[in-house]
Amino acid sequence: AQSVTQLDSQVPVFEEAPVELRCNYSSSVSVYLFWYVQYPNQGLQLLLKYLSGSTLVESINGFEAEFNKSQTSFHLRKPSVHISDTAEYFCAVTTKGNTDKLIFGTGTRLQVFP
Amino acid sequence: DTGVSQDPRHKITKRGQNVTFRCDPISEHNRLYWYRQTLGQGPEFLTYFQNEAQLEKSRLLSDRFSAERPKGSFSTLEIQRTEQGDSAMYLCASSLSGDGRSDTQYFGPGTRLTVL
Repeated sequence: AQSVTQLDSQVPVFEEAPVELRCNYSSSVSVYLFWYVQYPNQGLQLLLKYLSGSTLVESINGFEAEFNKSQTSFHLRKPSVHISDTAEYFCAVTTKGNTDKLIFGTGTRLQVFP
Repeated sequence: DTGVSQDPRHKITKRGQNVTFRCDPISEHNRLYWYRQTLGQGPEFLTYFQNEAQLEKSRLLSDRFSAERPKGSFSTLEIQRTEQGDSAMYLCASSLSGDGRSDTQYFGPGTRLTVL
């Protein structure tokens, strides 16, 4: 069975500072990895995903994540955050198969202060 | 493409009552998922449809829960004899999948259930 661990429940940072949100997964088979973002009072939105190929994936708003198979990690990074990045971030994993059901971590609350 | 919609957005009910939620997926999507999210937790998988067939149910889905997708389009999730522990956000997602690829799941805004 797969599982996802997000060790940091909250990450407070000042605007324009760099940030890293950690995600580790456990699986005995090959995985696909996702980061979803949930802004206040909104639904989950896909931020970025790793399916295959380059281990570094990027989003359109400056976030990036790197798939590290040896460390079973998929940490999310941004070199300079904005107030508007304040949200809940969820890491998720699925395996190639018939269902594609997502297994989510418990989430990390990113709070950006001015 | 109007996105995934869910109705109602909020539902308050008394313990023991039955409730039904509706999900309308993105029109051409053949897969539909239900998840449940409680406070401080990530979403947890409940069940999955490929077209009209319900192909997997989580152990979280007790006998009081039933889901349907009668024509392979919209889906309903019914909870009978609600309990306070059923209070949660119920999320619906849809995707277009084939050839064994893993495709992006698009989530609706959710239905927040409060059981008093």
